[in-house]
Amino acid sequence: EAQVTQNPRYLITVTGKKLTVTCSQNMNHEYMSWYRQDPGLGLRQIYYSMNVEVTDKGDVPEGYKVSRKEKRNFPLILESPSPNQTSLYFCASSSYSPGVNTDTQYFGPGTRLTVL
Amino acid sequence: SQKIEQNSEALNIQEGKTATLTCNYTNYSPAYLQWYRQDPGRGPVFLLLIRENEKEKRKERLKVTFDTTLKQSLFHITASQPADSATYLCALPSLSSNTGKLIFGQGTTLQVKP
Repeated sequence: EAQVTQNPRYLITVTGKKLTVTCSQNMNHEYMSWYRQDPGLGLRQIYYSMNVEVTDKGDVPEGYKVSRKEKRNFPLILESPSPNQTSLYFCASSSYSPGVNTDTQYFGPGTRLTVL
Repeated sequence: SQKIEQNSEALNIQEGKTATLTCNYTNYSPAYLQWYRQDPGRGPVFLLLIRENEKEKRKERLKVTFDTTLKQSLFHITASQPADSATYLCALPSLSSNTGKLIFGQGTTLQVKP
């Protein structure tokens, strides 16, 4: 079954304690991205990656890091989480490539993060 | 900058009726537009993509129109069912070319009552 998986699904942590949210897709997609979703603000892109070792900032990258060492995995790293990073996070992948407009995005189930 | 507007108020309709949701955009001429469904606490799920040269697209009980003059897309669910209750998001490709980035509207929540 084609899918995007994320772990953990729920996480409660404290300010400053480094954490990683994993994301994996089995569709051989080159494009992957991370979003956060907040009430009243909708989905906002944090980082995206067009291929292995290629990552770039989205709209709200401050306080986050990503890596793309393998095609299927795209972890989101919070080096020093703060309460304003409490949110619902989604990983997504697509078959997008420049010049080819087939960028339907497949989303993971979400990770609800609370930073105390 | 590009802006997407969807009705923030929830849409409540009776089962069997047609639901119509609106997506308006400004400062932009997108090559295509997408609609997603999102259930509470879950990831959005792709429903339909319509390109700028397509006036209308259908998939089962779903119909999407795309009026590039009005800068508007309408999303219709015919013979609606309680199981159609969800939030529906429209999305457009970003102005930033070759980034693969989608800009999402905030979504309209549909409630279908039995």
